[in-house]
Amino acid sequence: DTGVSQNPRHKITKRGQNVTFRCDPISEHNRLYWYRQTLGQGPEFLTYFQNEAQLEKSRLLSDRFSAERPKGSFSTLEIQRTEQGDSAMYLCASSLFTGNGNTIYFGEGSWLTVV
Amino acid sequence: AQSVTQLDSQVPVFEEAPVELRCNYSSSVSVYLFWYVQYPNQGLQLLLKYLSGSTLVKGINGFEAEFNKSQTSFHLRKPSVHISDTAEYFCAVIGSGGYNKLIFGAGTRLAVHP
Repeated sequence: DTGVSQNPRHKITKRGQNVTFRCDPISEHNRLYWYRQTLGQGPEFLTYFQNEAQLEKSRLLSDRFSAERPKGSFSTLEIQRTEQGDSAMYLCASSLFTGNGNTIYFGEGSWLTVV
Repeated sequence: AQSVTQLDSQVPVFEEAPVELRCNYSSSVSVYLFWYVQYPNQGLQLLLKYLSGSTLVKGINGFEAEFNKSQTSFHLRKPSVHISDTAEYFCAVIGSGGYNKLIFGAGTRLAVHP
C-alpha cells in the first residue's frame, strides 16, 4: 500500500496557462475524490468518481475545470485558462466504498500558484 | 446536506497540558464523523473516526473523541500534548444512506508551546 500519490507537488504558472494534476489512488480503491484547499480554510469538495464514472461535481467546478478517470485507476484534474483565484492546494483522495462510512485517504496535495 | 462548525480557529496550549478541540455538526440524516490532522505543507492524515457503537473513539497519537448525538458534537481531546502535535486539525462529516462526500470544518490550529 503506497498511499495516494499526487504529481506534481508544486506548480507555478502564468495566468491564462493550462495546468494538469495527476492522482494515483490506493490500489483497488474504487472511489477517487478531488478537493481544493485555500490558506486557512478546510478542504472543499470538487468532484468524485466511482471507478471511471464521474458521479458528482461541485458548483465550485467551473467550466474551466475538467477531471477524468479514464480507466478507473489514476485521475487527472485540468484547469484551463488559469486565474489567480485558482491558486490553492488541490487534494486527491481515495476510498474503497462499501457503503458503510468507508475511510477516505488523502494524498500530499498539489500546490498551484498562478502569477 | 451536512455542515460542520469548528468553534475555535486557534487553540494555544502549553506542552503536557490537556486540550479539547470542539466540533459541532448539522445533518438531517445519520452521520459518520472523522478527525484529520494536517502538518505544514502536507496532506490530511486520519486521526480517528466514529461509525457506530461506542461513542468514545480512540485514535492515533493518543487522541480520542466523543460522539454526542443530542448535542451534535464530536469534540477531540488529548490528556497531554506534545510540541509535535502542533498542526491544523479538521473535523469532517459524511452522511449515511447515499451521501458520498466528506464535508469539512474550517479547521483549528493547535499551537503547543514549551
